[in-house]
Amino acid sequence: QSALTQPASVSGSPGQSITISCTGTSSDVGGYNYVSWYQQHPGKAPKHMIYDVSNRPSGVSNRFSGSKSGNTASLTISGLQAEDEADYYCSSYTSSNTLIFGGGTKLTVL
Amino acid sequence: QLQLQESGPGLVKPSETLSLTCSVSGGSISSSGYYWGWIRQPPGKGLEWIGSIHSSGSTYYNPSLKSRVTISVDTSKNQFSLKLSSVTAADTAVYYCARPNSSGRFTHFDYWGQGTLVTVSS
Repeated sequence: QSALTQPASVSGSPGQSITISCTGTSSDVGGYNYVSWYQQHPGKAPKHMIYDVSNRPSGVSNRFSGSKSGNTASLTISGLQAEDEADYYCSSYTSSNTLIFGGGTKLTVL
Repeated sequence: QLQLQESGPGLVKPSETLSLTCSVSGGSISSSGYYWGWIRQPPGKGLEWIGSIHSSGSTYYNPSLKSRVTISVDTSKNQFSLKLSSVTAADTAVYYCARPNSSGRFTHFDYWGQGTLVTVSS
């Protein structure tokens, strides 16, 4: 299975909004509402930010939101803050009863 | 609060078997309906799902690793384990164990161990 496609990097200034895309196929992202997003700071374990396309786990800021259109899911971070600078990964359940991750996106807060 | 902790050798020789254990505290591994998973991350690269095991013992594996992977549960020790055979340098990675907050699915992971670096080298 090939990794989901994410941009290698995105950037934004404090207070701005950014969106990270995650493109798959009809066998994964497009076929199921089981897309998740993770935030990972250097040297740390990933933190779960979004599940089932648009739901936030308890304790995750409402500045983080998720959506999906066709085979592409998106993570939007509004009111960008310095601590949002991290790597972000999407994942999706697949028609083969497996999980697949995206290649990751490095977010830089300017 | 559920806590997960990986343990195992940090150095494995090529062609040998990598063996890791995830110790679970703050909850029972036999809790009805939960999936327990392994994910890895090569240095400087992205995340890769290795596989997941249900508390009943049923398993799901990444097709690219399936021929070399075994995940098992030891309820007596409240642990689950990963074995990856015939390792090469490409298996060098930080290995994480993880579990979702919801039972009956392995579509995401809420609880993560701190990760353990395994290097494959002679």
